[in-house]
Amino acid sequence: EPEVTQTPSHQVTQMGQEVILRCVPISNHLYFYWYRQILGQKVEFLVSFYNNEISEKSEIFDDQFSVERPDGSNFTLKIRSTKLEDSAMYFCASSEMGTSGTYEQYFGPGTRLTVT
Amino acid sequence: QKEVEQNSGPLSVPEGAIASLNCTYSDRGSQSFFWYRQYSGKSPELIMFIYSNGDKEDGRFTAQLNKASQYVSLLIRDSQPSDSATYLCAVILLNNDMRFGAGTRLTVKP
Repeated sequence: EPEVTQTPSHQVTQMGQEVILRCVPISNHLYFYWYRQILGQKVEFLVSFYNNEISEKSEIFDDQFSVERPDGSNFTLKIRSTKLEDSAMYFCASSEMGTSGTYEQYFGPGTRLTVT
Repeated sequence: QKEVEQNSGPLSVPEGAIASLNCTYSDRGSQSFFWYRQYSGKSPELIMFIYSNGDKEDGRFTAQLNKASQYVSLLIRDSQPSDSATYLCAVILLNNDMRFGAGTRLTVKP
């Protein structure tokens, strides 16, 4: 069964450093998403991406964040200058928005980002 | 008003009982509703989706949607200890973004 994959599973970085989190969505999916979950809190939407551009973004997704689809398979989230409060689990998800209008999003296993 | 509200629990039921999880949402234009299960330290796993008013059954799970009341629920029949997890209600808003509730923690006691 196809699945969303993410690398690395755990990333430790120092405050102020740049990090890139990587995701490979399910191959026939057209919409891609990033979410974050701070420990003990709810899953929060960051950004959605379709047709090589950002579709929607939340207030969390400020100028420090960017997303890219550098090739036909990868989808990345970059945080330019990490802060302590960026420590969280980051989930990538993808969905197939076909003519049937299916919206189900499937999540990857997540990348735990720890900023020290 | 929060976009998606759930009772945080914990909800505790004995093995074999029916677990009932509830969710309300504020965006009246929402059309798509999802239940995810999340085990501690893991990612959300899609278990049910419902788009039309009424009931939708899949094995031991039944999702119920009432758009007039802006209410969606999940029933788990014959609850098993392996069902112990946090259940997340998610709603697609008019702008096509998905919003999650805070989740209800369910414990099924043997």
